[in-house]
Amino acid sequence: GESVGLHLPTLSVQEGDNSIINCAYSNSASDYFIWYKQESGKGPQFIIDIRSNMDKRQGQRVTVLLNKTVKHLSLQIAATQPGDSAVYFCAENFQGGSNYKLTFGKGTLLTVNP
Amino acid sequence: DGGITQSPKYLFRKEGQNVTLSCEQNLNHDAMYWYRQDPGQGLRLIYYSQIVNDFQKGDIAEGYSVSREKKESFPLTVTSAQKNPTAFYLCASRKERGLSTDTQYFGPGTRLTVL
Repeated sequence: GESVGLHLPTLSVQEGDNSIINCAYSNSASDYFIWYKQESGKGPQFIIDIRSNMDKRQGQRVTVLLNKTVKHLSLQIAATQPGDSAVYFCAENFQGGSNYKLTFGKGTLLTVNP
Repeated sequence: DGGITQSPKYLFRKEGQNVTLSCEQNLNHDAMYWYRQDPGQGLRLIYYSQIVNDFQKGDIAEGYSVSREKKESFPLTVTSAQKNPTAFYLCASRKERGLSTDTQYFGPGTRLTVL
């Protein structure tokens, strides 16, 4: 598969534990944020998003928290399962002019031990 | 992968050859994007298109070219001018070109290796 996990921060958890993956974003004017999951050799898969007018958003087993004061985003995964093992990365949108561009973090490799 | 297809999955190219990567979407999305992914790095934008017959350079456009003749299709050509083309290439699309809070979805990717 793709070696997208090389040189990435890693998080190792036991099956059933909760996972917290962090992301520091760069632009205080960013207005939209997305978390993606990428398994080896595959394209990124959308997990959850949040707009800058929100602090928290929940999905199925996942929660995203946004702290605009310190430009920090986190993804919480409840009851982590082996199938959650992947690289997770955040993306921020800064709408410069009339164009929409996403800036991506390098990602965190999550390993779930059975 | 949500209606975005990329082909081929694996592609091998000899040095000095141009090669074209296919990206098709049936989501009726306006905007399409090409990214390059290298180990340990975030996605880097090569080109993007917000509407048919229009496209803009991204952050690393040198050595690449694109076309957007149809809404559904956004092929990427990796030319011989691209000095380090071996990478994982990802195509993405988004429904509304002018809406900043619109999610971007990705295809499954093409792994290009230069021999």
